[in-house]
Amino acid sequence: AQSVAQPEDQVNVAEGNPLTVKCTYSVSGNPYLFWYVQYPNRGLQFLLKYITGDNLVKGSYGFEAEFNKSQTSFHLKKPSALVSDSALYFCAVRDPILTYKYIFGTGTRLKVLA
Amino acid sequence: EAQVTQNPRYLITVTGKKLTVTCSQNMNHEYMSWYRQDPGLGLRQIYYSMNVEVTDKGDVPEGYKVSRKEKRNFPLILESPSPNQTSLYFCASSLSQGSGELFFGEGSRLTVL
Repeated sequence: AQSVAQPEDQVNVAEGNPLTVKCTYSVSGNPYLFWYVQYPNRGLQFLLKYITGDNLVKGSYGFEAEFNKSQTSFHLKKPSALVSDSALYFCAVRDPILTYKYIFGTGTRLKVLA
Repeated sequence: EAQVTQNPRYLITVTGKKLTVTCSQNMNHEYMSWYRQDPGLGLRQIYYSMNVEVTDKGDVPEGYKVSRKEKRNFPLILESPSPNQTSLYFCASSLSQGSGELFFGEGSRLTVL
């Protein structure tokens, strides 16, 4: 069955330190991979996506993600965390053939401590 | 401004009282979808639509209906709401084909007493 896993419910990091939010997936073929961020009382906002090509993808607000096909992972990273990065982060995949099919992880709450 | 608009943002209702949550997008997207967000469960797809008059069930369609009479609108209908439908609902849209990301509305928090 297709699935997306975010193994950490919460990640705490000190401001200025690098952060990583983990995502692994189990989807056949070559899915499109996404990260979204949700701030309190807001809808999800698109951060970045991987379609093909360079395994390191850069997105909004200084975030980047590394695609690793052998490990079926798509971890979100940022070199230096800000308090304002505190939010709920969702990893998602879209089937390139069954394009109606988006699968979301359960979300990881990121807390950046001042 | 490109956006997905949902209404109402907040609603408290009682069991069995029919309600509709509206969703409208101004990006000419073919694909629209409804999700519910529950703690620990992430986002689960309720219904989706690939284009006008084309709708299909997602993973948790029970107790919901949708319609897609116009490209821009995709209302979610709860004919007889029950307490287990208390949740945060999101409408989203994207291009049908290719790698288009989803654009989300601001969410509708529904409480069924």
